[in-house]
Amino acid sequence: QLQLQESGPGLVKPSETLSLTCTVSGVSISSSTTFYWGWIRQPPGKGLEWVGSIYYSGNTHYNPSLKSRVTISVDTSKNQFSLKVTSVTGADTAVYYCARHEAVAGSFDSWGQGTLVTVSS
Amino acid sequence: DIQMTQSPSSVAASVGDRVTITCRASQGIRSYLAWYQQKPGKAPQLLIYAASSLQSGVPLRFSGSGSGTDFTLTISSLQPEDFATYYCQQANSFPYTFGQGTKLEIK
Repeated sequence: QLQLQESGPGLVKPSETLSLTCTVSGVSISSSTTFYWGWIRQPPGKGLEWVGSIYYSGNTHYNPSLKSRVTISVDTSKNQFSLKVTSVTGADTAVYYCARHEAVAGSFDSWGQGTLVTVSS
Repeated sequence: DIQMTQSPSSVAASVGDRVTITCRASQGIRSYLAWYQQKPGKAPQLLIYAASSLQSGVPLRFSGSGSGTDFTLTISSLQPEDFATYYCQQANSFPYTFGQGTKLEIK
């Protein structure tokens, strides 16, 4: 059974880098040729925002709203993928979810439980 | 970016009611539309993909329709566990975008 679990610091200082890892269990990222692995965030009390996605080969797509601050990488040997957001501000405070989506249909069919990241000094 | 607009933003209904939520895309997205249910403190759960396909394990009272720019999610007979917030999402092109959400409350 597929499970995704986010991990990383819950508190990040302004201007620093937010780093999260999603550990995938129950399926191999490198064998999942019809899926992408993505990050979605949700500020407290607000809606969902897609951050970016990565294919097992390393091909990435990012949300232009985060400009060049976002990097997503994959480590197939550890069955993990990771998110980095640089130069964070209070606007980056959110629950961050990792999730899997179909490469064609694009729907997110499996999600992690989410992790709250607060940007504050 | 493709803008997704849901209506209403909130709706109050009773157990047993039929409820319809609409989602409009700012440009055509063919049938690349998904619907999610989110309960407080929980991750969203996929209900409908490809506009009208029911995700495995989702009750048959949920249905989706539409193509192009206009889509609907219908719950045929509300159950107590259906009171939640619902989001649509377009997957026609990156960047993927979500609607602002519709909060379904108990009347």
